[in-house]
Amino acid sequence: DIQMTQSPSSLSASVGDRVTVTCRASQNIAGHLSWYQHSPGKAPKLLIYAASRLQSGVPSRFSGSGFGTDFTLTINSLQPEDFATFFCQQSFSNSFTFGQGTKLEIK
Amino acid sequence: QITLKESGPTLVKPTQTLTLTCSFSGFSLTTPGVGVAWIRQAPGKALEWLALIYWDDDKTYTPSLNSRLAISKDTSKNQVVLTMTNMDPVDTATYFCAHASVIIEGLYIYKWFDPWGQGTRVTVSS
Repeated sequence: DIQMTQSPSSLSASVGDRVTVTCRASQNIAGHLSWYQHSPGKAPKLLIYAASRLQSGVPSRFSGSGFGTDFTLTINSLQPEDFATFFCQQSFSNSFTFGQGTKLEIK
Repeated sequence: QITLKESGPTLVKPTQTLTLTCSFSGFSLTTPGVGVAWIRQAPGKALEWLALIYWDDDKTYTPSLNSRLAISKDTSKNQVVLTMTNMDPVDTATYFCAHASVIIEGLYIYKWFDPWGQGTRVTVSS
């Protein structure tokens, strides 16, 4: 199985800050990575697919980068609605594994 | 607009079989490049992908639960059903279904889940 390791596991930031979350795959997954945002009681929301492609309707302050084993989700100018848990997910093989999540909290 | 909604029992006993239904609208599970996935999240834990069924009836399961899971589709009803046998308290979780997209670009096949249903909470307890 491909393991996905996110860091940090939690993060405190203020409205207007820029934050970065990283995700490392246990083997080369090319660009087969998605990022999701999940708030309690809500459905998880796709932000980024194919490592760097912004899903339609997602604000442009979200961006993704990376290829192979190391990936990054960046959020510019944090907004109050951005405070949530973020998960990466690989889809390299016909199997899908998620990272353990990064909880973004208001400082 | 694509929507999905999960339904099923909120409480099951250990050793019982769980049957969950995902009812969807806004797409057809006969359209190439489309699938429906099941994902769960135990309390305080990460998301865990369980199963995926594609438009062509191809199915894939998470290896650790492969022997306990079965996914099927009813295209006339716009539903996908997931069964999980031999339920255990560790299977207590919120279970989500999601629309899956598949695109092929050259050598690469990209897949992602969007949108998701709101989830249904399942507790396993005697």
